[in-house]
Amino acid sequence: AQSVTQLGSHVSVSEGALVLLRCNYSSSVPPYLFWYVQYPNQGLQLLLKYTTGATLVKGINGFEAEFKKSETSFHLTKPSAHMSDAAEYFCAVSDQPGTALIFGKGTTLSVSS
Amino acid sequence: GAVVSQHPSRVICKSGTSVKIECRSLDFQATTMFWYRQFPKQSLMLMATSNEGSKATYEQGVEKDKFLINHASLTLSTLTVTSAHPEDSSFYICSASTRKGETQYFGPGTRLLVL
Repeated sequence: AQSVTQLGSHVSVSEGALVLLRCNYSSSVPPYLFWYVQYPNQGLQLLLKYTTGATLVKGINGFEAEFKKSETSFHLTKPSAHMSDAAEYFCAVSDQPGTALIFGKGTTLSVSS
Repeated sequence: GAVVSQHPSRVICKSGTSVKIECRSLDFQATTMFWYRQFPKQSLMLMATSNEGSKATYEQGVEKDKFLINHASLTLSTLTVTSAHPEDSSFYICSASTRKGETQYFGPGTRLLVL
């Protein structure tokens, strides 16, 4: 069975600082990995995804994530946080295209000025 | 990118009534739609998977007779919460993927409050 662990339910950074949100997964097959962002009372917006190929994936809003098979990780980073990045971030995994996603518990990112 | 809409965005109903939530893919054909439920400050939990023209597949612990799912066309799936109770109050989110689909596109969610 697949699972996702997001370390740290709440991460606080200063504006302009590095953002690092951690995600580890378990999967018996090559995983498809996703990061989604959720703003209050809204649905989820896809930030980026890894399916195959290049392990460093660039997404929207300056975010990127690196798939590290040896570490079973898919951490999300952004070099410089912006106030508008404050939101809930979910890491998710699936084992095949178009199948249901298994979500982590989410990480709340706070950005202070 | 692909757009998924949900209607209504928010609904308040009395205990014992039924509520229907619509999920539409606006600019693509969704062979598969998923229904998730999210409690406050928690993650999304899959309720059921819906393929166009066939019966939905429910996750363990989800009552199929309570949460009726219909996926009658490639652009529309509906979730009906029958005889709703206060414990059904939650944020319901649908997503849709294409036949090829590596990516799920999520709707904006429906906030259900049962009094």
